[in-house]
Amino acid sequence: AQSVTQLDSQVPVFEEAPVELRCNYSSSVSVYLFWYVQYPNQGLQLLLKYLSGSTLVKGINGFEAEFNKSQTSFHLRKPSVHISDTAEYFCAVGSQGGSEKLVFGKGTKLTVNP
Amino acid sequence: DVKVTQSSRYLVKRTGEKVFLECVQDMDHENMFWYRQDPGLGLRLIYFSYDVKMKEKGDIPEGYSVSREKKERFSLILESASTNQTSMYLCASSLARYEQYFGPGTRLTVT
Repeated sequence: AQSVTQLDSQVPVFEEAPVELRCNYSSSVSVYLFWYVQYPNQGLQLLLKYLSGSTLVKGINGFEAEFNKSQTSFHLRKPSVHISDTAEYFCAVGSQGGSEKLVFGKGTKLTVNP
Repeated sequence: DVKVTQSSRYLVKRTGEKVFLECVQDMDHENMFWYRQDPGLGLRLIYFSYDVKMKEKGDIPEGYSVSREKKERFSLILESASTNQTSMYLCASSLARYEQYFGPGTRLTVT
């Protein structure tokens, strides 16, 4: 079985500050990893994904994440946030060669203040 | 662009009613999913389907059923709605390798 832990339920930051949203996972097999963003009253939108290859993954809107197998982490980072980045962010894990299901974390609410 | 549409953005139903939530995708995806989203609990998988007429239970299937008669359409059915099924329901579809595309969600209130 797999699990995902998002270590912070809420992260407040000031505009133009850097941010890191933390995600740890547990799995007995090799994994795929995803970050999704949800703006208010909308569905989820894919930010970035790790399938294989380079452990540093770049996504949309200036976000990036680094897959660290030894620490079973996939933290999301952005060097300078905007007000428009205020949203809820979800980390998700799937197993390679297994079911098509994803396991989602409980989400991190990012609030960017002026 | 992949488009996943859900039949209603907001729905209010009474306890005991049979409720149908419809989801349609336009990208010929094999896999379709129904989740419910509740504050502090994240997304929880109710059911998914990997082909027409094929379905598999997710983590919280009790009180729900699904139907997939056509590849593009996946319906979630609440046989007898209860107040604890008040939630945001999200539909998603995927082709392969897990990248799921989500609809805008249906906020269901059961009174």
